[in-house]
Amino acid sequence: AQTVTQSQPEMSVQEAETVTLSCTYDTSENNYYLFWYKQPPSRQMILVIRQEAYKQQNATENRFSVNFQKAAKSFSLKISDSQLGDTAMYFCAFMKQATASKLTFGTGTRLQVTL
Amino acid sequence: DAGVIQSPRHEVTEMGQEVTLRCKPISGHNSLFWYRQTMMRGLELLIYFNNNVPIDDSGMPEDRFSAKMPNASFSTLKIQPSEPRDSAVYFCASSLWAGEGQPQHFGDGTRLSIL
Repeated sequence: AQTVTQSQPEMSVQEAETVTLSCTYDTSENNYYLFWYKQPPSRQMILVIRQEAYKQQNATENRFSVNFQKAAKSFSLKISDSQLGDTAMYFCAFMKQATASKLTFGTGTRLQVTL
Repeated sequence: DAGVIQSPRHEVTEMGQEVTLRCKPISGHNSLFWYRQTMMRGLELLIYFNNNVPIDDSGMPEDRFSAKMPNASFSTLKIQPSEPRDSAVYFCASSLWAGEGQPQHFGDGTRLSIL
């Protein structure tokens, strides 16, 4: 079974600064997918970024980028130029390489962006 | 395009009552997932369907829970009889089946409170 660990329950960053959220996972699979989801106070689950394990290049979506280290089983999320709207819970998630496989989530990191 | 639509957004009911949660996936998506979010257990998969067929229901807590997908545009999650420990936010998500690692798109969730 796969496990996902987010070791930072809470983090804080000032507006316009950069913050990195950590995620590690445990799996015996060689091919898989990793995701970061954002859950603002409104409760929605919003996809932030997706990474394919067989791609060495780190995924980037505007101000969001990942540092994917397959050997270390690490998948951190970097948020650049933080904005107040980035305040949310952030969940790291793992998906096996199988058609429509389920997501296994970490426990989340609560990020507060301050003025 | 409309996203995943869940109803009701909030449900408060008394212990022992039947509860039915509803979900309309994104048009064209072949896979549908029901997740539950609690403080104690985080986000966990209850059941998922491919092409309206249940594939994995190992996360369904007990026989009081049942889920159906009578057609490609509608699914229900039913709890009968409900108990206070069923209080949680229930999310429905959908994704494309064609291809692997397809992101799951979530509805806004139903906050269920059992008194």
